[in-house]
Amino acid sequence: RKEVEQDPGPFNVPEGATVAFNCTYSNSASQSFFWYRQDCRKEPKLLMSVYSSGNEDGRFTAQLNRASQYISLLIRDSKLSDSATYLCVVIERDSGAGSYQLTFGKGTKLSVIP
Amino acid sequence: GAVVSQHPSRVICKSGTSVKIECRSLDFQATTMFWYRQFPKQSLMLMATSNEGSKATYEQGVEKDKFLINHASLTLSTLTVTSAHPEDSSFYICSARDTGDRTEAFFGQGTRLTVV
Repeated sequence: RKEVEQDPGPFNVPEGATVAFNCTYSNSASQSFFWYRQDCRKEPKLLMSVYSSGNEDGRFTAQLNRASQYISLLIRDSKLSDSATYLCVVIERDSGAGSYQLTFGKGTKLSVIP
Repeated sequence: GAVVSQHPSRVICKSGTSVKIECRSLDFQATTMFWYRQFPKQSLMLMATSNEGSKATYEQGVEKDKFLINHASLTLSTLTVTSAHPEDSSFYICSARDTGDRTEAFFGQGTRLTVV
């Protein structure tokens, strides 16, 4: 199985701080990349897609570096409500089988402290 | 965003009985369904992947005869935990996506199974 690696954390940061997570993937042929957020005892929810050109949504910026095979998520001006586990997801296409494989990282736990 | 409906959200069953969990995509075609299990304070663990109309592909260590997956239509997949034991107690989550390179996956709300 292809690997998707994340630093599990926890990252404990004060409110207002900027925090960044990285996620590395091993399959250079990976197609698509996403960041999900999972709150305790809830299902993961899509946070944002990650494109080669980068993707920004308010305080959140996602970047893809294909050469070094990693994606990143930057959160500016952290809020208490940002406390969650952030999961990176890599989608690969198995051209032989014509199917897609979805691989999750194990997640990075963020705690924003008052 | 697209909606995936999973139910029941909670179920308590006796040891030895079977429990069926349903996962429905409400406004898109769930070409591929993923079933996960998550124990407290642990990460999601993929159990199996199923494409509509095909047999599910199970991850290593997941017993296919114990966790029966059916994906007979483009909007519905079911996971049946057969002969449940207390160690099967966990949070089970389905995820569905349509075909395409850039298509994201959407998650059901999860089912918290407790086997007593």
